[in-house]
Amino acid sequence: KQEVTQIPAALSVPEGENLVLNCSFTDSAIYNLQWFRQDPGKGLTSLLLIQSSQREQTSGRLNASLDKSSGRSTLYIAASQPGDSATYLCAVRPPGSSASKIIFGSGTRLSIRP
Amino acid sequence: GAVVSQHPSRVICKSGTSVKIECRSLDFQATTMFWYRQFPKQSLMLMATSNEGSKATYEQGVEKDKFLINHASLTLSTLTVTSAHPEDSSFYICSARDYLSYEQYFGPGTRLTVT
Repeated sequence: KQEVTQIPAALSVPEGENLVLNCSFTDSAIYNLQWFRQDPGKGLTSLLLIQSSQREQTSGRLNASLDKSSGRSTLYIAASQPGDSATYLCAVRPPGSSASKIIFGSGTRLSIRP
Repeated sequence: GAVVSQHPSRVICKSGTSVKIECRSLDFQATTMFWYRQFPKQSLMLMATSNEGSKATYEQGVEKDKFLINHASLTLSTLTVTSAHPEDSSFYICSARDYLSYEQYFGPGTRLTVT
């Protein structure tokens, strides 16, 4: 059974720092991996999606990497800003098809101090 | 971009009553929609998968008679929490899968409070 873990559960850093959020999954056979952002009391916003054949994706100050063999993904945020404060969720889609069910990690609550 | 809406965004109801939550895909058709539940500081847990025109598939441990799901059209799915109890208070998020691209988009969530 696939399990997705995110460490740390919470992280607080001063504005301007670069930071890395970690995600690990127990079964390396995945269809894709996705990082989401969730603001308090809100739904999910997709940040980056990495297909199983890819090693990384970039969007602005965000870079996500994927190492299937070790069952790990990282989300790198450069030059953090207070507006980056949110919960970041990692989710994997098991193999089979794009129709298989997404499995979410428990999230990392990120707080950027001004 | 694709938008999924939920209505209402917040609802407070009394114990024993039923509450209906709507999920709509606004600019795409969704043959499949998903309903998730999220407790404070926890991740999303899939409750059920609904397919347009057929019965929903519930995850283990989710009572299908308590959480009624209807997916009557390609743009609308509803979740009805029947005989709600305080322990049903939670954040409910729906997700719709575009039947052409298979991309999955998430709604903004509905905060249910049962008093």
